[in-house]
This record gives sequence, structure tokens and C-alpha cells, in this order.
Amino acid sequence: NAGVTQTPKFRILKIGQSMTLQCAQDMNHNYMYWYRQDPGMGLKLIYYSVGAGITDKGEVPNGYNVSRSTTEDFPLRLELAAPSQTSVYFCASSGGGAGAFFGQGTRLTVV
Amino acid sequence: GIQVEQSPPDLILQEGANSTLRCNFSDSVNNLQWFHQNPWGQLINLFYIPSGTKQNGRLSATTVATERYSLLYISSSQTTDSGVYFCAVPFDYFNKFYFGSGTKLNVKP
Repeated sequence: NAGVTQTPKFRILKIGQSMTLQCAQDMNHNYMYWYRQDPGMGLKLIYYSVGAGITDKGEVPNGYNVSRSTTEDFPLRLELAAPSQTSVYFCASSGGGAGAFFGQGTRLTVV
Repeated sequence: GIQVEQSPPDLILQEGANSTLRCNFSDSVNNLQWFHQNPWGQLINLFYIPSGTKQNGRLSATTVATERYSLLYISSSQTTDSGVYFCAVPFDYFNKFYFGSGTKLNVKP
């Protein structure tokens, strides 16, 4: 069972570029999330989804967009990358009363 | 929003020692999760514990929801226990979590 899979693991972007972080889960969870973790800090919620076709903003949504066309996939889109978006991004899913399960993270640097 | 405070922020242990990590939260919650972030950055589920006590090997956790705190006990610590321990509380039905800022544990051989 793969759990939550994120790609890529590392990426360097130039200011103003765009990219999509991919996230897929195989646990048939309805709820999926994107968090970012800045150095020495806890995680902050960017966006979340409660099912296919339904998404909503979290604490820090500015500069990001999401979509959820299937139960399994929840990509995060960065438009016009800025240095402030340098962070580690985690995708997670939950369902079935067992808490949240996290992917391995994507380390993004914007230069 | 809910405030989640963890203590201590840093902890250094000699291998074999025991420790207690604390998580205080500011509002009523119906669940709480403990994670271990290893030195490679991976977040590992430890406990999903709304109340009471759970044990898994050398680790155990206790949540007293009415008093708004949770404790994580690590017994006979090993160097592989090093990393950052986070508690997280969901702030609604959809399990959107508020995270504490973590306890950074360094277990020395």
C-alpha cells in the first residue's frame, strides 16, 4: 500500500515561473490537504478538499490553486513563484477515523 | 483559531533515558494527533488519540481533553527517536489540523 505519494521530491524554480506539485493517495480517503512547512516551524494549511470537485482555502492560500477531479489526486499549482514560497510542501489525506497520513514532502526553492 | 503550544521546544537526552513531551491547546477538541518528523523530514503517525491513553512499544500518549492537554511519553530512548515531535489538533469535522511548533529531540549515544 503506497499511501500518499508526492512528486517531485525536490525542485528549484526561478521567480515568476509556475509549477504543479502532484499528490496521489490510494486509501480511498475523501479528505485531502496541502500544507507548507517553513524552517523550524509547524505546518500551515494551504488548501483542502472534502471530495472530488470540492475544495476550499486554508490558512495561507495566497499564491496557490488546487483542483480535485478524482478521489485519488489533489494537485497544487503555484503561479508566479516568489521567494516567500520557498518551503517544504506536504500533501495529506484522511478518512475512516484513523487520523491524517502524510506524503514524503516536496522541497521547493524559489530563486 | 485554536492555539497549540508544545513544550519543551528542545530536549537533549542520553540514550536510555525517559522523557515527557507536552501539548496544550486552547479550545475544546474532539481529537488530537502526534507525529514524529525524522531527520529526513518524513512525518510519521504516532497516535491519533481523542482521550485516554494509548501505547505503542516504548511510546505512549495520554490526552485529557477536559483539561486541554496531551502528553507523549518516550521510554528507554534510542538515537532513532531523534527528530521533531508535533502535536496537531483538528479545528473542524474535516480534520483540518492546527500544528504546534514542535519539540526537537536529540538522543545522544
